[in-house]
Amino acid sequence: KNQVEQSPQSLIILEGKNCTLQCNYTVSPFSNLRWYKQDTGRGPVSLTIMTFSENTKSNGRYTATLDADTKQSSLHITASQLSDSASYICVVSAAGDYKLSFGAGTTVTVRA
Amino acid sequence: DTGVSQDPRHKITKRGQNVTFRCDPISEHNRLYWYRQTLGQGPEFLTYFQNEAQLEKSRLLSDRFSAERPKGSFSTLEIQRTEQGDSAMYLCASSLDTEQFFGPGTRLTVL
Repeated sequence: KNQVEQSPQSLIILEGKNCTLQCNYTVSPFSNLRWYKQDTGRGPVSLTIMTFSENTKSNGRYTATLDADTKQSSLHITASQLSDSASYICVVSAAGDYKLSFGAGTTVTVRA
Repeated sequence: DTGVSQDPRHKITKRGQNVTFRCDPISEHNRLYWYRQTLGQGPEFLTYFQNEAQLEKSRLLSDRFSAERPKGSFSTLEIQRTEQGDSAMYLCASSLDTEQFFGPGTRLTVL
């Protein structure tokens, strides 16, 4: 069964600080991995997408890494802002499958 | 706005009532997906359309649930005889290839 595990479940950081979220997956055969940001009460919005050959991808203050050998990914948020408070979901696609495997998300709370 | 839209955004209903949600995908997207998301969890797949054809239904989609996409454009998701366990966010997504774009969701509360 394809699975995606995220850690931590939640975290609280002070505005301006950095944080890193983790994602481990067992999806096979691997196609791509996306990080989504989901604000409370809204749909997920894509932040980054990485394929097998990509190790890192940045989108502003968000930087995602991928180690396809160990099946791990991380999302690093630099210089956090209050607007970064949201749930961050790791989503993995299997090759040839339109269905996505979702992690449960990490809830990030940024405090002033 | 050319993104995925969903209507209504919120729905409160009494147990046993029927509800219907609508999703309008991005216009050129031929694939449409419905998901259910409960608090603290990632979205769970419900069903998938390619054009007007419903190609897959999750076992989560009990016989009280039905989805249609009559002309390969908008889609509706109906829940009959709602139960309290149906309370969740119902998300719609559309895609042209593998990247799915999500709508804002419909929050259902069953009292």
